[in-house]
Amino acid sequence: EAQVTQNPRYLITVTGKKLTVTCSQNMNHEYMSWYRQDPGLGLRQIYYSMNVEVTDKGDVPEGYKVSRKEKRNFPLILESPSPNQTSLYFCASRTAHRGLGTEAFFGQGTRLTVV
Amino acid sequence: DAKTTQPTSMDCAEGRAANLPCNHSTISGNEYVYWYRQIHSQGPQYIIHGLKNNETNEMASLIITEDRKSSTLILPHATLRDTAVYYCIVRVNYGGSQGNLIFGKGTKLSVKP
Repeated sequence: EAQVTQNPRYLITVTGKKLTVTCSQNMNHEYMSWYRQDPGLGLRQIYYSMNVEVTDKGDVPEGYKVSRKEKRNFPLILESPSPNQTSLYFCASRTAHRGLGTEAFFGQGTRLTVV
Repeated sequence: DAKTTQPTSMDCAEGRAANLPCNHSTISGNEYVYWYRQIHSQGPQYIIHGLKNNETNEMASLIITEDRKSSTLILPHATLRDTAVYYCIVRVNYGGSQGNLIFGKGTKLSVKP
């Protein structure tokens, strides 16, 4: 079954304590991305990756890092989380090629609370 | 900024067709119209996409006007489980930043018994 898997689903942490949210896809997709969703602000893109070792900033990259060492994994790293990073996070993947099957698949989300 | 305009909310009676409009007057010739929905706080789910011809799949139909400046997503027989926020997005159908999904506010569809 085609899947994008995020872990953890829920996380409460303290300010300044480094954390990583993992994202893995089993569809051999080249393109992966991270979004955050906040009330009234909608879904905003944090980072995206066109392929292994190729990453780029989205609309709200401040305070986040990503890496793409393997095609299937795209972890989101918060080196020093702050309360304003409390949000619902989604990972997504899709093919980067033209043609059919270009829809994006999303993970089930990670609800992060930073206190 | 999102390149689409959608009504903030709509209601639909269960079993009736839900018609969700979207304006995209600045759409480029190589951009497709994509529809996604988000049920409560789940991950967005792909529904359908099209370039200029009308499209239909097991979930919905997509009607695109001849000038491509607007489109309508049709859920033929809405159920309570179709209550969600529906997003209309225009993008190219391949990789690159032009292919990023940029979400607007969407339309909150409420299906009522």
